[in-house]
Amino acid sequence: QKEVEQDPGPLSVPEGAIVSLNCTYSNSAFQYFMWYRQYSRKGPELLMYTYSSGNKEDGRFTAQVDKSSKYISLFIRDSQPSDSATYLCAMSHYGNNRLAFGKGNQVVVIP
Amino acid sequence: GAGVSQSPSNKVTEKGKDVELRCDPISGHTALYWYRQSLGQGLEFLIYFQGNSAPDKSGLPSDRFSAERTGGSVSTLTIQRTQQEDSAVYLCASTSRGGYPNVETQYFGPGTRLLVL
Repeated sequence: QKEVEQDPGPLSVPEGAIVSLNCTYSNSAFQYFMWYRQYSRKGPELLMYTYSSGNKEDGRFTAQVDKSSKYISLFIRDSQPSDSATYLCAMSHYGNNRLAFGKGNQVVVIP
Repeated sequence: GAGVSQSPSNKVTEKGKDVELRCDPISGHTALYWYRQSLGQGLEFLIYFQGNSAPDKSGLPSDRFSAERTGGSVSTLTIQRTQQEDSAVYLCASTSRGGYPNVETQYFGPGTRLLVL
């Protein structure tokens, strides 16, 4: 079993819809939880990071962490065509430097 | 300012040849990471540098893979006797400290797309 599981299926939504993405993890040592966005032929860029269980909002983006269930989510409200990208969850241990990534979800927002 | 740069952007090689991939981190960033992104496996950690030292090289998949960093800046990832399964996008990232605690943003380069025929 991989440390981080993210169902890699593509997701197509109409513009304005809510996009919901999630990852599960098995290692309870993970303390930092991140979402990266990757456009085609580009490197990933950090979208959001959280440390504790609960919700964190940044504009149209909400990151949710439930440490008891080892489950994290990303919600994109009022999705735009410019949100079309691959979204990767990533996690790391306290004091560790490597990131463990999910496989990513390709999101397409249809105008 | 300039971001992380990688070269070449694309590399096609024949099975059995050696390849060198280069990463130029953001100026002043002391920590540098190499990852590999392939269709089946997603993004996998390979090696981490703090300055010129590599305290964590546990992600290197075999002894055909090696990396070095000189002058606390440029890093080179070398793959010897390439195999078809080495085909992937090799990504480099850097952070300003990379130390404890690890909440810093890792800034990624655009990657080198390696195809082994």
